[in-house]
Amino acid sequence: NAGVTQTPKFQVLKTGQSMTLQCAQDMNHEYMSWYRQDPGMGLRLIHYSVGAGITDQGEVPNGYNVSRSTTEDFPLRLLSAAPSQTSVYFCASSYSGSDTQYFGPGTRLTVL
Amino acid sequence: RKEVEQDPGPFNVPEGATVAFNCTYSNSASQSFFWYRQDCRKEPKLLMSVYSSGNEDGRFTAQLNRASQYISLLIRDSKLSDSATYLCVVRVGGYALNFGKGTSLLVTP
Repeated sequence: NAGVTQTPKFQVLKTGQSMTLQCAQDMNHEYMSWYRQDPGMGLRLIHYSVGAGITDQGEVPNGYNVSRSTTEDFPLRLLSAAPSQTSVYFCASSYSGSDTQYFGPGTRLTVL
Repeated sequence: RKEVEQDPGPFNVPEGATVAFNCTYSNSASQSFFWYRQDCRKEPKLLMSVYSSGNEDGRFTAQLNRASQYISLLIRDSKLSDSATYLCVVRVGGYALNFGKGTSLLVTP
């Protein structure tokens, strides 16, 4: 199993550009989520999904969209990138009812 | 007030030392508690879950005090490879995790 994979590893955007961060897992996990990690802030939840077709907002959802059309994939879309979205983004997944979450390697995003 | 608070450190300790990290959480309805480890520029990985009865995994011991809303992690006989950031994590309900900002540990020769 590849576990949780994220692409790209690094990305530089200009203000106003849009892009999609990809996240995929091959463990048939029902739950998937996106976090951002900023220096001195800890990880903060952006959006999450408890299954295909079901998504909900986390602590910091503004400026981001998600969809969950399959169990495996949970892309995060930045609609119009802003410098405040410069961060490291982690995707995570887990089985329903399990406390153990598995994180992907992260995407380092810089918005100029 | 942040839901999960921890001393950011850094804690600089020599090899072989014992070091303890503490964490407090604000929501008394919190259901599950964890310590995650994060190496520099890597993803967080579960180190251990924390139970009221206390639990041990080799050199690592975790304790939970629900009355005081306090979680601890004790590392005995520190190794150079223990150098990392240790994240205190709490789950209130559902699947979402609340992370502390992390405590940095550097073990020196």
